[in-house]
Amino acid sequence: AQTVTQSQPEMSVQEAETVTLSCTYDTSESDYYLFWYKQPPSRQMILVIRQEAYKQQNATENRFSVNFQKAAKSFSLKISDSQLGDAAMYFCAYRRINQAGTALIFGKGTTLSVSS
Amino acid sequence: GAVVSQHPSRVICKSGTSVKIECRSLDFQATTMFWYRQFPKQSLMLMATSNEGSKATYEQGVEKDKFLINHASLTLSTLTVTSAHPEDSSFYICSAQEPISREKLFFGSGTQLSVL
Repeated sequence: AQTVTQSQPEMSVQEAETVTLSCTYDTSESDYYLFWYKQPPSRQMILVIRQEAYKQQNATENRFSVNFQKAAKSFSLKISDSQLGDAAMYFCAYRRINQAGTALIFGKGTTLSVSS
Repeated sequence: GAVVSQHPSRVICKSGTSVKIECRSLDFQATTMFWYRQFPKQSLMLMATSNEGSKATYEQGVEKDKFLINHASLTLSTLTVTSAHPEDSSFYICSAQEPISREKLFFGSGTQLSVL
């Protein structure tokens, strides 16, 4: 079975600084998707970034980028120029590819606080 | 982008009553929907996978007689918490799979259930 591990329950960063959230996963599949979701106090799940495992290039979305190390099964999220609105719980998630009806498997989450 | 509507957003009920939560895909037909449960400051735990026109697939440890899932149409899945007890109090979130690419999942805004 696939598992997702986030070893940092809480992280903090100052505004305008950079922070990296860690995620490791375990799978025997060779192809899959990895995601980072943000859950602000409203509790709405917001997709931050997505990575297909077969792509070697790290995904980037504005201030958000990932460091995907497939061999190490590591998928960290870097937030640059942190803003107060980035404060939220962040979940790393895994999903099998090319198979209908498979759910996301989430890590336990990292609560990010941003100070001014 | 695609929208998933979840209703109600908050419900308070007495112990022993049943509560129905609706999850609707507003602009696409979702053959597969997922139901998650989230305790405060914890991860999303998959409860069941709901496929239109067939019985739901429940995760291990989830009581299918307590959490009734019905996916009678391509745009609506419902979760009924039967004979609710205080320990059923939680945040419930649905997610719908976009049918064409199948890789995209869209989340409802969640339902906070409080059982008195």
